[in-house]
Amino acid sequence: GENVEQHPSTLSVQEGDSAVIKCTYSDSASNYFPWYKQELGKRPQLIIDIRSNVGEKKDQRIAVTLNKTAKHFSLHITETQPEDSAVYFCAAGGANNLFFGTGTRLTVIP
Amino acid sequence: DAGVTQSPTHLIKTRGQQVTLRCSPKSGHDTVSWYQQALGQGPQFIFQYYEEEERQRGNFPDRFSGHQFPNYSSELNVNALLLGDSALYLCASSPGGVLGNQPQHFGDGTRLSIL
Repeated sequence: GENVEQHPSTLSVQEGDSAVIKCTYSDSASNYFPWYKQELGKRPQLIIDIRSNVGEKKDQRIAVTLNKTAKHFSLHITETQPEDSAVYFCAAGGANNLFFGTGTRLTVIP
Repeated sequence: DAGVTQSPTHLIKTRGQQVTLRCSPKSGHDTVSWYQQALGQGPQFIFQYYEEEERQRGNFPDRFSGHQFPNYSSELNVNALLLGDSALYLCASSPGGVLGNQPQHFGDGTRLSIL
C-alpha cells in the first residue's frame, strides 16, 4: 500500500518568513496530492491540491510543487502570518483512496 | 448549504461493545470516505463508499464495517471495541464518484473514547 512520509514534524518561523513542508510517497499509481490544514479541535480543511499531470500550482501565498520521478511534493507558504499556525497534512491518493502523512505543526512567531 | 455533518460529536463506550457513527455528506456529493485519526497522528483511511457499495478499503480489520444509503449518507460500525479504537473518526465527502479522487471535505468528526 501507499506510504506517505512528511517532514519536518514541527516548524517554527518568524512572521513574514517562508515555510516549506516536504512529503514523499511510495506508490507510483498515486495521482492526486492534497494538503490540509487542521487547527486545534477542528476539522481538516483543504487548502490546495495538485494532480500528477501538473508540476506546480499556486494560490496566493500558498504553492505546491510535485516531482513525480522522485515521488515527492512540497508545500510552500510565503509571507507567513500568525493565523497560519496549525498542523498541516499532506496526502497522496490513487483512484479511490487517500493516505495522509503524520503532520507538521507550524508555529508562526509574531 | 450544509457541509458534512457527523453525529454524535462525542461517544464513550466500553471494551467489547459496538458503536455506530453517522455521516451526512455535503450537498451534491455522492462519495463518502471514513478515516480514523489517533491523537497526534494523520487521518488513516478506513474505507470509501460510492453507489451504496464499499469501493476501496484501507488496512483495517473486519470489525470495521459501513453502509451507504440511497440519499448518500453513511454509517460506520465498529464491533468488539478495543482500547486502541479510541480516536477521532472523520467522515469526508466528495463529488463525482465516477471520476475517482476529487477534493474531499471533512466533517467535524466523532470523538470515540473506549474505557
